[in-house]
Amino acid sequence: EAGVTQFPSHSVIEKGQTVTLRCDPISGHDNLYWYRRVMGKEIKFLLHFVKESKQDESGMPNNRFLAERTGGTYSTLKVQPAELEDSGVYFCASTRTSVVDEQFFGPGTRLTVL
Amino acid sequence: EDQVTQSPEALRLQEGESSSLNCSYTVSGLRGLFWYRQDPGKGPEFLFTLYSAGEEKEKERLKATLTKKESFLHITAPKPEDSATYLCALSPSGTSYGKLTFGQGTILTVHP
Repeated sequence: EAGVTQFPSHSVIEKGQTVTLRCDPISGHDNLYWYRRVMGKEIKFLLHFVKESKQDESGMPNNRFLAERTGGTYSTLKVQPAELEDSGVYFCASTRTSVVDEQFFGPGTRLTVL
Repeated sequence: EDQVTQSPEALRLQEGESSSLNCSYTVSGLRGLFWYRQDPGKGPEFLFTLYSAGEEKEKERLKATLTKKESFLHITAPKPEDSATYLCALSPSGTSYGKLTFGQGTILTVHP
């Protein structure tokens, strides 16, 4: 069974540009999560999809961040326009069930905003 | 506010030297406490879930325990391949079930 995959693994952009991160969850996993770790801080929750619906987006920092999950399969996280403080590692995770259960994490996308 | 504090921030051990990592937490209610291992350049890898005080789980050289205020990850006779960052995370009640609150992690280095 393939794990959670994320693309790209690294992205370096200029302040003000747009970046789109992609996450492919494990096949059959309805629940998809986005997290972020900025330098020196703990991993923080951004949002949670159940299929194509946003279950909880309380962790999204501001309206420059837009997450979508069309068709309930892969998800994208767009940052537009990017700011310096958006730099960090963005993780995606997925689970099959809608209970408190282990989340399977992807390798992350390291975003650097210059 | 739900809080998770891990200690120490970093721990250096000799191969075979057993020790424990601590995860202290303050939450109004706890659905579950998770331990993850993270290697450089990779995402967190699941180790254990604990649901109630008094619960213990073991896997190879690792044993996780839970009380009402903290969790310990005991490492017995560690090997160099156990070197990693160990993360503690909570699923607090009163939040959506998928929303994990993480600690900053403990960086473990095991020297041969």
